[in-house]
Amino acid sequence: ELVLTQSPGTLSLSPGERATLSCRASQSVSASYLAWYQHKPGQAPRLLIYGTSSRASGIPDRFSGSGSGTDFTLTISRLEPEDFAVYYCQQYGSSPTFGQGTKVEIK
Amino acid sequence: EVQLVESGGGLVQPGRSLRVSCAVSGFTFDDYAMHWVRQAPGKGLEWVSGISWDSGRIDYAESVRGRFTISRDNANHSLYLQMSSLRVEDTALYYCARSTDYVLGYPLDSWGQGTLVTVSS
Repeated sequence: ELVLTQSPGTLSLSPGERATLSCRASQSVSASYLAWYQHKPGQAPRLLIYGTSSRASGIPDRFSGSGSGTDFTLTISRLEPEDFAVYYCQQYGSSPTFGQGTKVEIK
Repeated sequence: EVQLVESGGGLVQPGRSLRVSCAVSGFTFDDYAMHWVRQAPGKGLEWVSGISWDSGRIDYAESVRGRFTISRDNANHSLYLQMSSLRVEDTALYYCARSTDYVLGYPLDSWGQGTLVTVSS
């Protein structure tokens, strides 16, 4: 099974700051098959990024994704109040898996 | 408007069976592969199973393979997950999610609100 490890577990930042979230895979992942989701309590998860760097419909451009091979990154350029949430990376090739999540909390 | 509404969750004893359902509207159901994803209390997201548009390709997580069966009824715009030999560790909120394509291997762009399954004696 392809394991995704996200770091840090929790990121404490203030609105307006830059957030950098990491996702490391136990084996190489095709860039075509890496996505990021945002999940807030009591809500459905929301697709942010697919194919490593393509923004999903309606996602603001302060969200960006990058990476290749086993190392992938989600960057939020300037945190807005509504961005405080848990973020998951996912590989959606054969037998999809999620990372364990990174919580972005208000400092 | 795309809508996915899960139902059928509840309290069930270990070893018993339960079927959860997902009714969809607002899009052409048989144009999309569908998935189940779960979240145990206090834990992260775990992919459970996926099914292609025509049920021709099905995949399961190792943790549920042989115990869970995914199916779909395109005529009635519904997705199902039959869960048997349930374990305490299957306790979770079960989400129905739509893929962005009709085959497996694509991300999930629409999700329901989930149905809670509690396995306990």
